[in-house]
Amino acid sequence: EDKVVQSPLSLVVHEGDTVTLNCSYEVTNFRSLLWYKQEKKAPTFLFMLTSSGIEKKSGRLSSILDKKELFSILNITATQTGDSAVYLCAVSSGAGSYQLTFGKGTKLSVIP
Amino acid sequence: DGGITQSPKYLFRKEGQNVTLSCEQNLNHDAMYWYRQDPGQGLRLIYYSQIVNDFQKGDIAEGYSVSREKKESFPLTVTSAQKNPTAFYLCASTFIGDGRQPQHFGDGTRLSIL
Repeated sequence: EDKVVQSPLSLVVHEGDTVTLNCSYEVTNFRSLLWYKQEKKAPTFLFMLTSSGIEKKSGRLSSILDKKELFSILNITATQTGDSAVYLCAVSSGAGSYQLTFGKGTKLSVIP
Repeated sequence: DGGITQSPKYLFRKEGQNVTLSCEQNLNHDAMYWYRQDPGQGLRLIYYSQIVNDFQKGDIAEGYSVSREKKESFPLTVTSAQKNPTAFYLCASTFIGDGRQPQHFGDGTRLSIL
């Protein structure tokens, strides 16, 4: 059974801090790892990672994948209150099924 | 604007009642998915469909049914057999292609028992 584990489950930081969110996985036939941000409604897509060691970056957010150690991290620098959300990690696996297995998410709270 | 529309936003179910959640997309996506989200549980897959008139069970399909009569529509029925239906339901869709396209989500329907 495919498994995705995120840590920590919740985190409280002050504005301006840098945070690192972790995602480890055990899946058969790995295809890609995805990060989403969920505020109150729809998860919004952040990154898709398929290759080890290549950092993806968007503004203050960045992410990297290690396929040997089976984990990914999501970094957020200079956090703002608008970064407060649940961050979801998901892994796509299996040939042709295009299913995602999600972790439980990390709830990030950024306080002024 | 292209996107995924779920309706209604809030839904209440009485005992013994079936209810249907709507999901429509105008992104010309091939595949559509239904997830259930409970507090602290992440998203769990209920059903998915990759082509019209075909769909597969996910991890928690018991008590649910779906149909895919049109490419743009994938309604989910929560039957009376689902004993604990209170949850946040999310619909998603994506292109199949090379399998390298992310799933995009609707805004969700929150279902509660009366």
